[in-house]
Amino acid sequence: VQLVQSGAEVKKPGASVKVSCKASGYIFSSSGITWVRQAPGHGLEWMGWISTYNGNTNYAQRFQGRVTMTTDTSTNTAYLELGSLTSDDSALYYCARGKNNYGDSPCDHWGQGTLVTVSS
Amino acid sequence: DIVMTQSPDSLAVSLGERATINCKSSQSVLYSSHNKNYLAWYQQKPGQPPKLLIYWASTRESGVPDRFSGSGSGTDFTLTVSSLQAEDVAVYYCQQYYTVPNTFGQGTKLEIK
Repeated sequence: VQLVQSGAEVKKPGASVKVSCKASGYIFSSSGITWVRQAPGHGLEWMGWISTYNGNTNYAQRFQGRVTMTTDTSTNTAYLELGSLTSDDSALYYCARGKNNYGDSPCDHWGQGTLVTVSS
Repeated sequence: DIVMTQSPDSLAVSLGERATINCKSSQSVLYSSHNKNYLAWYQQKPGQPPKLLIYWASTRESGVPDRFSGSGSGTDFTLTVSSLQAEDVAVYYCQQYYTVPNTFGQGTKLEIK
């Protein structure tokens, strides 16, 4: 199992960022994808989850309205798009595979992380 | 949201000794009909993504050494490292996946004394 994320991004305040997470080594549609972020020197923050089976999503309330999670089953890739960026969004963004496709599961494999820096 | 509170924030233990980390949830994460606690523990070493150690509060993930164990139910949980090894130096997080958002504890930094 491998999750390979896209490279580091630098964005200006107010812009959007789109991070990709390409999965391999397992049946993509069998496990959901969770997105978690970690600000420098801080803990883990759960952002949301997407079913790779039917595209259902669950977002953390604090990101509602500016986050979109999608998948492309033809390329086994999940995407996280976050808009209206502020400096508080500067963080390492991780994708992670759930143990099932129902959302109520821990994450057993993680991507390497994508550093997003928001700076004017 | 369910608030996860870990204690202590940091812990220094001698090599070969036992380390115990606690995690308390603001409401029960026990799904009664399944008799399962929706609680996981992760280990994060510097510069690495988190690694799943324990899920369902006490089930060890494949490949995790048996010196790691999880216990507890309802709102109170414990991660125990029975005999600390040098490679166990890391930050440990608990997470509830009972309800959205699947919140994490603030982390406990485990060091060698």
